[in-house]
Amino acid sequence: AQSVAQPEDQVNVAEGNPLTVKCTYSVSGNPYLFWYVQYPNRGLQFLLKYITGDNLVKGSYGFEAEFNKSQTSFHLKKPSALVSDSALYFCALQNTGFQKLVFGTGTRLLVSP
Amino acid sequence: EAGVAQSPRYKIIEKRQSVAFWCNPISGHATLYWYQQILGQGPKLLIQFQNNGVVDDSQLPKDRFSAERLKGVDSTLKIQPAKLEDSAVYLCASKKPGQGARETQYFGPGTRLLVL
Repeated sequence: AQSVAQPEDQVNVAEGNPLTVKCTYSVSGNPYLFWYVQYPNRGLQFLLKYITGDNLVKGSYGFEAEFNKSQTSFHLKKPSALVSDSALYFCALQNTGFQKLVFGTGTRLLVSP
Repeated sequence: EAGVAQSPRYKIIEKRQSVAFWCNPISGHATLYWYQQILGQGPKLLIQFQNNGVVDDSQLPKDRFSAERLKGVDSTLKIQPAKLEDSAVYLCASKKPGQGARETQYFGPGTRLLVL
C-alpha cells in the first residue's frame, strides 16, 4: 500500500530563518513525489515535484525539496522564510497505476515577523 | 493559460437535499479528478476520468454520489441526498496527457460545501 506521512501538524519559524517541512513515504516501485501549498479559501497550488535524477529539486517561491531514497523522505525546505509563506503544505505521492495523488495530512507553517 | 475553473465556490444545503458542482479543466487536459477534502485532512480521490471514461471510482460513495464528463471536457459532481458528513471542500484537478504519473495535477479553487 502507498502512503505519505507528515509527522508535524504545525511548524513555527521566525521570518528570515530556514524552514523545513517533513514528509516520508511508502511505495513499491518508483516514487513520484509532489509538494502543494494551500492558502485559506484557495485550492492547492503546485510547488515542485521529484520524478527522477537530481535529489535536490527546486520549485516555486524559493522552495526546494530533498529526495532521500534510503530514508524514504522528501522534506520541503527554504533558506529564508517569509511571513507570506504561512499556509498549509501537503506532500503527495502519485502512483504509477491509476495515477491518483495520495496526500499526507498536511502541515501548517506559521512564519512569525 | 487559464486554470481549472469550479463553481459554485460555496454552497450551504440542508441534509437530504441534492447539490451539484461544476468543473472546467485546463484546455487540452484529458485527465480530470474530483477530490474530497474534509477539514483537517488531505484530499482524497473520489473519481478519475480519462477523456469521458471513468478510470477509478473505487472511493466514490455510489449510493449518493455521481459524476459525469459527457463530452470529455467539463464535469459535474452530484450528491443526492446529502449527509452531514459530506461537508467538505470538493476539489477538481486536471492533468495533460503525456508521461502518466510524472505529470503534474493542477487544482481548481474548490467548492466549499456545508450540510446542515
